[in-house]
Amino acid sequence: KQEVTQIPAALSVPEGENLVLNCSFTDSAIYNLQWFRQDPGKGLTSLLLIQSSQREQTSGRLNASLDKSSGRSTLYIAASQPGDSATYLCAVRAANFGNEKLTFGTGTRLTIIP
Amino acid sequence: GAVVSQHPSWVICKSGTSVKIECRSLDFQATTMFWYRQFPKQSLMLMATSNEGSKATYEQGVEKDKFLINHASLTLSTLTVTSAHPEDSSFYICSARDLIGLGEQYFGPGTRLTVT
Repeated sequence: KQEVTQIPAALSVPEGENLVLNCSFTDSAIYNLQWFRQDPGKGLTSLLLIQSSQREQTSGRLNASLDKSSGRSTLYIAASQPGDSATYLCAVRAANFGNEKLTFGTGTRLTIIP
Repeated sequence: GAVVSQHPSWVICKSGTSVKIECRSLDFQATTMFWYRQFPKQSLMLMATSNEGSKATYEQGVEKDKFLINHASLTLSTLTVTSAHPEDSSFYICSARDLIGLGEQYFGPGTRLTVT
């Protein structure tokens, strides 16, 4: 059974700093991995999707990497801003045909201090 | 990006009544939609996977007779909470997977259900 863990559970950093969020998963047989952000009381916004054959994806100040063999992904946020404050979730989709489910991590609650 | 809408965004109902939540993919077609439940400060818990034109697949421990799911078209899925109880109060989020493309999942804004 796939298990996804995110460390740390919470993180506070001053505005302007670069930061890294971590995601680890136990079964490396994944189809893809997605990073999401969730604001309080809201749904999820997709940030980046990495296919199993890719090693990284970039969007603006965000860069996500994937090391499938070691079961790890990182989300790098450059030049953090107060608007980046949210909970960040990673989720993996299994590689076996017919398994449509995403398995979510526990999330990292990020606070950017102005 | 692709947009998924949910209606209503919040609802309050009395115990014993039924509530229907709609999930629509606005600018893409989705053969597969998902329904999640989220408790405060916890991650999402998958309740069921629905495929257009067929019966939903429920996760272990989720009562299919209580949480009725209908996926009538490629852009609409509904979740009906029947005979609601206070313990059904939660944040319900739907998700849709694009029929084409990379299989990215897009999430709705969620529906806050409060059962009194």
